[in-house]
Amino acid sequence: QKEVEQNSGPLSVPEGAIASLNCTYSDRGSQSFFWYRQYSGKSPELIMFIYSNGDKEDGRFTAQLNKASQYVSLLIRDSQPSDSATYLCAVNIMDSNYQLIWGAGTKLIIKP
Amino acid sequence: NAGVTQTPKFRILKIGQSMTLQCTQDMNHNYMYWYRQDPGMGLKLIYYSVGAGITDKGEVPNGYNVSRSTTEDFPLRLELAAPSQTSVYFCASSLPGQGIYEQYFGPGTRLTVT
Repeated sequence: QKEVEQNSGPLSVPEGAIASLNCTYSDRGSQSFFWYRQYSGKSPELIMFIYSNGDKEDGRFTAQLNKASQYVSLLIRDSQPSDSATYLCAVNIMDSNYQLIWGAGTKLIIKP
Repeated sequence: NAGVTQTPKFRILKIGQSMTLQCTQDMNHNYMYWYRQDPGMGLKLIYYSVGAGITDKGEVPNGYNVSRSTTEDFPLRLELAAPSQTSVYFCASSLPGQGIYEQYFGPGTRLTVT
């Protein structure tokens, strides 16, 4: 059974601090890794994806991938109250780039 | 572009009733998906399609059917609704780009079966 694991939280972070969200996956053949943000009652929206080991930065967001440890993380710098949401990690199934396995998400709360 | 649209936004069904959830995308994406999301859970894939006329089962297909007669539309049919089908349903689409298939989601349909 292919799985994606996330701490459900809630993770509480002061405004302006760095929020660190983590995700582990079981399928060693996975190649593509996605972070989505989901506000309460809304649909998931893509924040960023990563497919190479190392870091990928986009504005205040940095995705980190370590395939050897089967671990992907999302860092949010200078956290804002508007970052309060549930963050979903998704990983592609080996041999199927277009099918994703989803984690249950981590609820992030940014305290003003 | 409207992106991915879904109707209805909300629906209450009685046990045993049937309904069709509509999904349309105007981005010319080949790939389309139906997910359900239960409270506190991740997205579960119900069915997916890689193009018009081609559909396949996902992780939780029982109790559902789909069709894909056009690139734009991917309706999900619920037959004989059961309380276990109470959930939020999301339709998504994706476009192959450099082998990375980012999925774009519709606003969702909140379904209650009583």
